[in-house]
Amino acid sequence: GQQVQQSPASLVLQEGENAELQCNFSTSLNSMQWFYQRPGGSLVSLFYNPSGTKHSGRLTSTTVIKERRSSLHISSSQTTDSGTYLCALDSNNRIFFGDGTQLVVKP
Amino acid sequence: DTTVKQNPRYKLARVGKPVNLICSQTMNHDTMYWYQKKPNQAPKLLLFYYDKILNREADTFEKFQSSRPNNSFCSLYIGSAGLEYSAMYLCASSKGSNQDTQYFGPGTRLLVL
Repeated sequence: GQQVQQSPASLVLQEGENAELQCNFSTSLNSMQWFYQRPGGSLVSLFYNPSGTKHSGRLTSTTVIKERRSSLHISSSQTTDSGTYLCALDSNNRIFFGDGTQLVVKP
Repeated sequence: DTTVKQNPRYKLARVGKPVNLICSQTMNHDTMYWYQKKPNQAPKLLLFYYDKILNREADTFEKFQSSRPNNSFCSLYIGSAGLEYSAMYLCASSKGSNQDTQYFGPGTRLLVL
């Protein structure tokens, strides 16, 4: 079965709105990493977050191991936030990616 | 310099011909990875080197080879390309094991005809 479930699959926002992206995992966690990919671009690491909450500008990542979930919160979204957001779970020396959330922020 | 470099950025190959992709980093990272990414799919880990030890995923074991002649370089080799190999190939590195942050290169877009 799939180790990482990412939701929503797609999201459309008006500029200024907030977004909450989720990853749920079904196996043991060593670390969780969140990535951003522009259309046609390479992956950019946003957070490496094995547990707890981390902030970076308008982004916040929270990983709760007991509940087997990690979230990425985007506040006051901008059109330049549009792209694909991926979570990646490292579990016992294997890496599992979620299917991604396609985010579109409209002006 | 925290960049991971990949060459070439675009590659056109014929079915049945070999393909060699190159990745380099100067961060003295112990671990280097290769991923395959197809449109609308999550990146798929193909293999990774931890120092000189190569780990290959079970379902891609026979399809991809790799070498790491020194700490900075890592190659991905396809002996006989098939149409299904057309994809973006992403290289990444991390300082220690794969529990550390991975830094990704810009990718090589491979098209097999």
